[in-house]
Amino acid sequence: AQSVTQLGSHVSVSEGALVLLRCNYSSSVPPYLFWYVQYPNQGLQLLLKYTTGATLVKGINGFEAEFKKSETSFHLTKPSAHMSDAAEYFCAVSVDTGNQFYFGTGTSLTVIP
Amino acid sequence: ETGVTQTPRHLVMGMTNKKSLKCEQHLGHNAMYWYKQSAKKPLELMFVYNFKEQTENNSVPSRFSPECPNSSHLFLHLHTLQPEDSALYLCASTVTGVTGELFFGEGSRLTVL
Repeated sequence: AQSVTQLGSHVSVSEGALVLLRCNYSSSVPPYLFWYVQYPNQGLQLLLKYTTGATLVKGINGFEAEFKKSETSFHLTKPSAHMSDAAEYFCAVSVDTGNQFYFGTGTSLTVIP
Repeated sequence: ETGVTQTPRHLVMGMTNKKSLKCEQHLGHNAMYWYKQSAKKPLELMFVYNFKEQTENNSVPSRFSPECPNSSHLFLHLHTLQPEDSALYLCASTVTGVTGELFFGEGSRLTVL
């Protein structure tokens, strides 16, 4: 069975500081990995995804994530936090093209001025 | 604009009412999903339709009745709901058979009085 663990349901960073949101997955087959962002009362918007190829993936709004197979991780980072980054972030995994998606419980990011 | 449109965005209903949520996608996707997002709870998959056929019913109470007349439209019919059914209901779509992501609508915020 597949699962996704997001360590830290709440993360606070100062404006301009590094953002690091953690995601670990369990999968018996090579996964497809996704990060989504959700602003209040809105749907989920794709930030970035890993399917195959380069393990460092760049997304929108300056975010990037690195797929580390040996660590079964797909952590999301951004070098410098902006106030507009305050939102809920979800990590998700899909393991086949039948498109079963498994979501983490989310991490709420607060950016302190 | 994600290509997935949900209406209404907000809905207030009494426990004896009957209402429906609508989702429409113009992305050419074949799979459509209903998710429930409650405060302080993980995203819950409710139903999945693939080429109009229901492929997943995640033990959802019968007071929620989905309908998928074609690959572009998905409905969630609601009747005799409970206050604990108050949540953000998210529709999503994707193309099966490829390593694609889910595209989400903005959600329908439901309040059951």
